[in-house]
Amino acid sequence: DAKTTQPPSMDCAEGRAANLPCNHSTISGNEYVYWYRQIHSQGPQYIIHGLKNNETNEMASLIITEDRKSSTLILPHATLRDTAVYYCIVRGGNTNAGKSTFGDGTTLTVKP
Amino acid sequence: NAGVTQTPKFRILKIGQSMTLQCTQDMNHNYMYWYRQDPGMGLKLIYYSVGAGITDKGEVPNGYNVSRSTTEDFPLRLELAAPSQTSVYFCASSRGTGEGEQYFGPGTRLTVT
Repeated sequence: DAKTTQPPSMDCAEGRAANLPCNHSTISGNEYVYWYRQIHSQGPQYIIHGLKNNETNEMASLIITEDRKSSTLILPHATLRDTAVYYCIVRGGNTNAGKSTFGDGTTLTVKP
Repeated sequence: NAGVTQTPKFRILKIGQSMTLQCTQDMNHNYMYWYRQDPGMGLKLIYYSVGAGITDKGEVPNGYNVSRSTTEDFPLRLELAAPSQTSVYFCASSRGTGEGEQYFGPGTRLTVT
């Protein structure tokens, strides 16, 4: 599975959009991009995923570049409760069931 | 649905002791996973299973064993506990590996002294 690279930390003002980048330059054609977040020491929580097209749900939007080598998670109106560690991972294909890895993620701090 | 449940929530072991971390899911997911998370770090995959009777190693399997006799349960066994196994352990399950998000349990915080 492809490895991902994320900045270790980011700050965002409350009410503003938080844009979290992720590089996955070795992603292969059948791999999806997934985003999770972890608040304090709870289990990671699924946010959104995509293959090629941009995706949006009630939590966030995911923008994937045309060459699929990078993506951006957008939290449109960040709140204090969005302060968490955000993980970008790539997964896909039955032959890679155990190979997706969580890197160290991006610690997002939303400030009042 | 309860989702993914883990027991115990906390445990302190002495060096050399053994224990089993329990994980159960009620979503009829074929895929199940065990991760460990050391302080300030990301999650590392220990073992995973693609269905009952089928398990495979992840990144950091040494010192652990697993079994998968039913779809619902995926216990993780620690033999001869060592201080390096002090960590938070998360179990997860998913419908698939491509288009199927992972659902995580609340974690087990283990300290080996």
